[in-house]
Amino acid sequence: EVQLVESGGGLVQPGGSLRLSCAASGFTFSSYEMNWVRQAPGKGLEWVSYISSGGTTIYYADSVKGRFTISRDNAKNSLYLQMNSLRAEDTAVYYCASGDYGGWGQGALVTVSS
Amino acid sequence: DVVMTQSPLSLPVTLGQPASISCRSSQSLVHSDGNTYLSWFQQRPGQSPRRLIYKVSNRDSGVPDRFSGSGSGTDFTLKISRVEAEDVGVYYCMQGTHWPPETFGQGTKVEIK
Repeated sequence: EVQLVESGGGLVQPGGSLRLSCAASGFTFSSYEMNWVRQAPGKGLEWVSYISSGGTTIYYADSVKGRFTISRDNAKNSLYLQMNSLRAEDTAVYYCASGDYGGWGQGALVTVSS
Repeated sequence: DVVMTQSPLSLPVTLGQPASISCRSSQSLVHSDGNTYLSWFQQRPGQSPRRLIYKVSNRDSGVPDRFSGSGSGTDFTLKISRVEAEDVGVYYCMQGTHWPPETFGQGTKVEIK
């Protein structure tokens, strides 16, 4: 069974940085593409970033391009999202999800506020 | 980007009665490989999204058979044959044919009358 557990969320000031982690278990992580998806309070789902199984292909939503960096460590079964230059509009619950969206984590809340 | 439009956005239903949610895409979701990458997700209150249906009509493991997906091209439907209390939540369609980005509908909130 796919298990994904996010960590690293919290309160950060505008312009600050935060790094989210997603620990994977129950499946062969190194064989799976992965995504980050976010959900602003009371809003819908927004795809944020994608990384291929080997980490060689990466995509970002226009809203985070140049500020966020997705990465993975297959030896550690972990996915990451480095978020820099954070803005109030980045406030959301951030989910890691498997490439086919069959598995989702419980989410990590990121609040950008002064 | 492909725009996904759901209707209705709010759906009050009576327990035991059927429910239907429509999802329309701004362009055909038929991929060059012949598949149509349209999925449906359920998000119960306070929970993470859960995929119910993939490639239009394929139910995920553990999803009750009262959920069904249909459609083609640009028009898709999620049907619940008999709504149960545990079905309360927000339902999203998502296209994975024309990516990046994969895009979601606005969500349809299902509540019990």
